[in-house]
Amino acid sequence: EAGVAQSPRYKIIEKRQSVAFWCNPISGHATLYWYQQILGQGPKLLIQFQNNGVVDDSQLPKDRFSAERLKGVDSTLKIQPAKLEDSAVYLCASSSSTGQGSTDTQYFGPGTRLTVL
Amino acid sequence: GNSVTQMEGPVTLSEEAFLTINCTYTATGYPSLFWYVQYPGEGLQLLLKATKADDKGSNKGFEATYRKETTSFHLEKGSVQVSDSAVYFCALSDGAGGTSYGKLTFGQGTILTVHP
Repeated sequence: EAGVAQSPRYKIIEKRQSVAFWCNPISGHATLYWYQQILGQGPKLLIQFQNNGVVDDSQLPKDRFSAERLKGVDSTLKIQPAKLEDSAVYLCASSSSTGQGSTDTQYFGPGTRLTVL
Repeated sequence: GNSVTQMEGPVTLSEEAFLTINCTYTATGYPSLFWYVQYPGEGLQLLLKATKADDKGSNKGFEATYRKETTSFHLEKGSVQVSDSAVYFCALSDGAGGTSYGKLTFGQGTILTVHP
């Protein structure tokens, strides 16, 4: 079974530029998560999709971050414009969870390391 | 809101030493508890989990017991190997009966280095 795929693996941009990350979850997984992991910290949830609907985006800085999951499969996360403090690893995860109160395992991709100069 | 606190790191041990990484949590209701591991150059992997009080999760020689009375989920291994060198994250979700869709709240991570 293929794991969660993410691209690119690394990205370096100047501040105020825009950037997009792509995630392909495990086939059949209904729930997709985007986490931000700043160096030395644990991952923090940015946004969570159930199929193609958003169920939690309370931690997403909506003035600059956006995400979509068209057709309930692949997802893209965009930052526009980027700030220095956006330097982090962006992790995508998926699970077979289909409802509230899930304890299903989340499977993580390798992440995209973003450096904003 | 939910929170997870891990022991201050990093941790450096010799091979075959006993390992404990402390984890305590704050949450309402009955959260599910997890340990994830991140090996160098790899993504996060689930190491073990426990979904109710007094449950013991175990995998690859690692164990952790869900202690509701002390709100803890400490990770232990009796004899560590060089290959166990990694970053270990304690995490929780709302669990069955919760309102989230499995959202994980992570601790800050503990770097483990094992020397031969």
